[in-house]
Amino acid sequence: SAVISQKPSRDICQRGTSLTIQCQVDSQVTMMFWYRQQPGQSLTLIATANQGSEATYESGFVIDKFPISRPNLTFSTLTVSNLSPEDSSIYLCSVVSQGAQAEYGYTFGSGTRLTVV
Amino acid sequence: QKEVEQNSGPLSVPEGAIASLNCTYSDRGSQSFFWYRQYSGKSPELIMSIYSNGDKEDGRFTAQLNKASQYVSLLIRDSQPSDSATYLCAASGNTGKLIFGQGTTLQVKP
Repeated sequence: SAVISQKPSRDICQRGTSLTIQCQVDSQVTMMFWYRQQPGQSLTLIATANQGSEATYESGFVIDKFPISRPNLTFSTLTVSNLSPEDSSIYLCSVVSQGAQAEYGYTFGSGTRLTVV
Repeated sequence: QKEVEQNSGPLSVPEGAIASLNCTYSDRGSQSFFWYRQYSGKSPELIMSIYSNGDKEDGRFTAQLNKASQYVSLLIRDSQPSDSATYLCAASGNTGKLIFGQGTTLQVKP
């Protein structure tokens, strides 16, 4: 299955600034997904990033707040803009990859823990 | 109504017992179903995937899918303290998007 390198692993940011998170995959993938996991909560899909087209955002998430880039089939960035304490969460990227016996699953990066002060 | 629903728990079982985790989904277009395990501070780890009705076994884990009832379950046999974690049920359909339930916290007591 695919291996994802996500960074930074954690950051503490000032209110009003931005943080850019990077995900690098060791193989070419069509779709990359970005999730947010708020404290004590499950994963919520932010957007789907396809190479060569604009990201598709889920209800409640907008491009101005969460701009995404997808310059090629192995790399994507998520920026969390104009930070407020409510943005303090773990952000994860994910891709679909094939594992044993040709079954597929969704692999996750190690996550970025963002704290806004 | 949430698309994927789970009982948040916590579910507490003694060591060696069977843990039964349940999940329902609302989108009949969902085709693939996954169980993830997440330890505190870690990213989700895929345990099982299931695509067709019936049971699928892998070691101590058995996933069950009933598309007519829109129901997915995970059984963990011979539960171990190391199985204590949050278990996330997820579903995907034609769009490829993976939608998660709120997760069930499992506690296995020695």
